[in-house]
Amino acid sequence: DAGVIQSPRHEVTEMGQEVTLRCKPISGHNSLFWYRQTMMRGLELLIYFNNNVPIDDSGMPEDRFSAKMPNASFSTLKIQPSEPRDSAVYFCASSIYKNNEQFFGPGTRLTVL
Amino acid sequence: GQQLNQSPQSMFIQEGEDVSMNCTSSSIFNTWLWYKQDPGEGPVLLIALYKAGELTSNGRLTAQFGITRKDSFLNISASIPSDVGIYFCAGLRFGNEKLTFGTGTRLTIIP
Repeated sequence: DAGVIQSPRHEVTEMGQEVTLRCKPISGHNSLFWYRQTMMRGLELLIYFNNNVPIDDSGMPEDRFSAKMPNASFSTLKIQPSEPRDSAVYFCASSIYKNNEQFFGPGTRLTVL
Repeated sequence: GQQLNQSPQSMFIQEGEDVSMNCTSSSIFNTWLWYKQDPGEGPVLLIALYKAGELTSNGRLTAQFGITRKDSFLNISASIPSDVGIYFCAGLRFGNEKLTFGTGTRLTIIP
């Protein structure tokens, strides 16, 4: 069975550019989570969705970050405009709603120059 | 955001040795999860614990849900080279879907 799929795996962009990260959750999972991982702050939850509806976006750092889930099999995390301090690894995870086991994708390593 | 205290931060062991690590919190959790992360990859779920006192094994890995509900432990027996990586604990409070992650334990095996 396919796990969580993320694309791209690596993204290098210049400050000010728009960045879009993509995620396909595990089929049948109806909760989706976006995380950011850095050396300084570890794994931080940015936002999560249940049944395509955003439930908690309190971890989104600022208005430059936005996330959507237009359907059960696709989500995007967008940063516009990007800044060097956004450089990190961004993970998507999915789970079955109310089942606590979250399964992570391979991540997108973002570098903003 | 809040992180769980995980110790040790790093371990250097020889192949074949047993490993123990733990995770502590000042507050109660209702679920404990243990993940392993390899370089360049996402965390992989190893073991999930749902009940205070529960002891669960997955091959050479054994994890326990502390009876106070404020801690959890992970043991690896007879370590092998592929055990190298960073191990994270994560806790979940009742009625909450937001995982709180530990700071990680980096395991290195000395040849």
